[in-house]
Amino acid sequence: GAVVSQHPSWVICKSGTSVKIECRSLDFQATTMFWYRQFPKQSLMLMATSNEGSKATYEQGVEKDKFLINHASLTLSTLTVTSAHPEDSSFYICSAVVSGANVLTFGAGSRLTVL
Amino acid sequence: SQQGEEDPQALSIQEGENATMNCSYKTSINNLQWYRQNSGRGLVHLILIRSNEREKHSGRLRVTLDTSKKSSSLLITASRAADTASYFCATDVGGAQKLVFGQGTRLTINP
Repeated sequence: GAVVSQHPSWVICKSGTSVKIECRSLDFQATTMFWYRQFPKQSLMLMATSNEGSKATYEQGVEKDKFLINHASLTLSTLTVTSAHPEDSSFYICSAVVSGANVLTFGAGSRLTVL
Repeated sequence: SQQGEEDPQALSIQEGENATMNCSYKTSINNLQWYRQNSGRGLVHLILIRSNEREKHSGRLRVTLDTSKKSSSLLITASRAADTASYFCATDVGGAQKLVFGQGTRLTINP
């Protein structure tokens, strides 16, 4: 079945640094990927839609300069949290659309802790 | 904003019992999906029900959809300890698989 790999699975960084999270579709091409953010014991909040070869579409209230998304190939989307602060600490999850299917395949998530 | 509201927020039952979770949504949908999330992990798709379907089964899972009430339920029969997880409903509000998730139900199955 379709597999989405997310890396790193967890990362700890100092405040003010930038962190890049990768989302890869391993055995299929994904023209569209989605990035979610999840706080403890809460639901997933859609941050942005990542489109291969074009700019990402951000949800209302999500700072595009803060959360940089790049989808340069059909199998890779990256989320860079720039100048991270403790309030950016969260669980970030990506998902990809399998062509012809109505369901999403999710990565295992990346837990970011900003000190 | 969240499309779906789920209840209960938390549910704890004994192994072997049935677990029922409910989801309500606000706008028209093409389909409604249920996902499962183990603690600190990604989501796993469980079942999709289309807007023209009323009930769907998959193994021990039974999903119903009432579009007139804008609600859905997920029933897990003969629960097992391994069913312990959070369960989310999701609706497609923006097309192209753009999903909005409900608040989720944290299910605990006690052995």
